[in-house]
Amino acid sequence: GAGVSQSPSNKVTEKGKDVELRCDPISGHTALYWYRQSLGQGLEFLIYFQGNSAPDKSGLPSDRFSAERTGGSVSTLTIQRTQQEDSAVYLCASSSLAGGPTKQYFGPGTRLTVT
Amino acid sequence: ILNVEQSPQSLHVQEGDSTNFTCSFPSSNFYALHWYRWETAKSPEALFVMTLNGDEKKKGRISATLNTKEGYSYLYIKGSQPEDSATYLCAIKPPRGNTPLVFGKGTRLSVIA
Repeated sequence: GAGVSQSPSNKVTEKGKDVELRCDPISGHTALYWYRQSLGQGLEFLIYFQGNSAPDKSGLPSDRFSAERTGGSVSTLTIQRTQQEDSAVYLCASSSLAGGPTKQYFGPGTRLTVT
Repeated sequence: ILNVEQSPQSLHVQEGDSTNFTCSFPSSNFYALHWYRWETAKSPEALFVMTLNGDEKKKGRISATLNTKEGYSYLYIKGSQPEDSATYLCAIKPPRGNTPLVFGKGTRLSVIA
């Protein structure tokens, strides 16, 4: 079956430009998460969507970062005025239930390089 | 702040060797523990989700144990193969409602043929 997909797989952008990263979760999964992994760091939580509830934005590092989830499915992570420290692998994951001991299924990630 | 520590940071073993690594977490802030394997250029893949103290799970040559009272989990790989080369991530789900997973930095395993 189809897993979590992300696009683009790689993105190189100039400092100061805006970028949009897309995530298509597994159909029927109500929870969707965004993480990033910077060089030498662990996976860092960014934002989490659960059904129609207000998203948990507590992990967003600055107001240049925002995310939407339309129709309870596809999500877009937007980074405005990118900085070099935004360079990282951005991972999206989805799960069938929020919380609890439920596995998260990850996409392949988007490698963002800000030059 | 919930801190998840993994050790060692990286590990090189010969094909056929057995190995293990550790995930440590605060026992007072625990609901579930997840192990993931992340191979280069692929998606992180869930290996185990564990909740009960003393629990042990097995998948092929890989197994994991959990001690919630002292706050640690071990991941064991028996007879390592080159295809086991990956970063192994541990993550903790805190008990407070719909909170996200907190990941450690991972253990990078390289199996040399």
